[in-house]
Amino acid sequence: AQSVTQLDSQVPVFEEAPVELRCNYSSSVSVYLFWYVQYPNQGLQLLLKYLSGSTLVKGINGFEAEFNKSQTSFHLRKPSVHISDTAEYFCAVRMNTGFQKLVFGTGTRLLVSP
Amino acid sequence: DVKVTQSSRYLVKRTGEKVFLECVQDMDHENMFWYRQDPGLGLRLIYFSYDVKMKEKGDIPEGYSVSREKKERFSLILESASTNQTSMYLCASSSPTPGMNEQFFGPGTRLTVL
Repeated sequence: AQSVTQLDSQVPVFEEAPVELRCNYSSSVSVYLFWYVQYPNQGLQLLLKYLSGSTLVKGINGFEAEFNKSQTSFHLRKPSVHISDTAEYFCAVRMNTGFQKLVFGTGTRLLVSP
Repeated sequence: DVKVTQSSRYLVKRTGEKVFLECVQDMDHENMFWYRQDPGLGLRLIYFSYDVKMKEKGDIPEGYSVSREKKERFSLILESASTNQTSMYLCASSSPTPGMNEQFFGPGTRLTVL
């Protein structure tokens, strides 16, 4: 079975500073990896995904993530955050075969202040 | 624009009531999912369906049932609502086509059981 760990429940950062949200996963098989964002009172929206190929994945709103198989990590980064990036971010994993059941982490709340 | 809609954004029910949460998607997706989201626990899968009239239990099915009579509609049923079912409920859908694996989410229904 797969599992996802997001160690940071909350990350405070100042506007225009860089940020990294950490995600580690465990799986005995090859996986697909996803980052979703949830703005207040909204559903989840896909930021980016890794299916195969280049380990550096670029997503919407200037976010990117790097798949590191040896460290079983998929950390999310942004070089300069905006107030509007304040939201909750979820990392998710699923097997790359079989049915598409996603396993989510517990989420990281990014708080951007001026 | 692809869309997943949920019948209510906010719902207040009394203990013991039968509660129906409706989800409709317009993307012709085969797969549909119901999650509940609680602070510190992330998203947990309640039930999913990969075809009309097909359903599978997720990680926390107790106290819930589902119905999928039409491809576009997936209903979550709380047979006898209890206070511990107060939560945010999220519906999602996805295509089984390889490379189109992301789940699209509705805006959520915040259910309060008194």
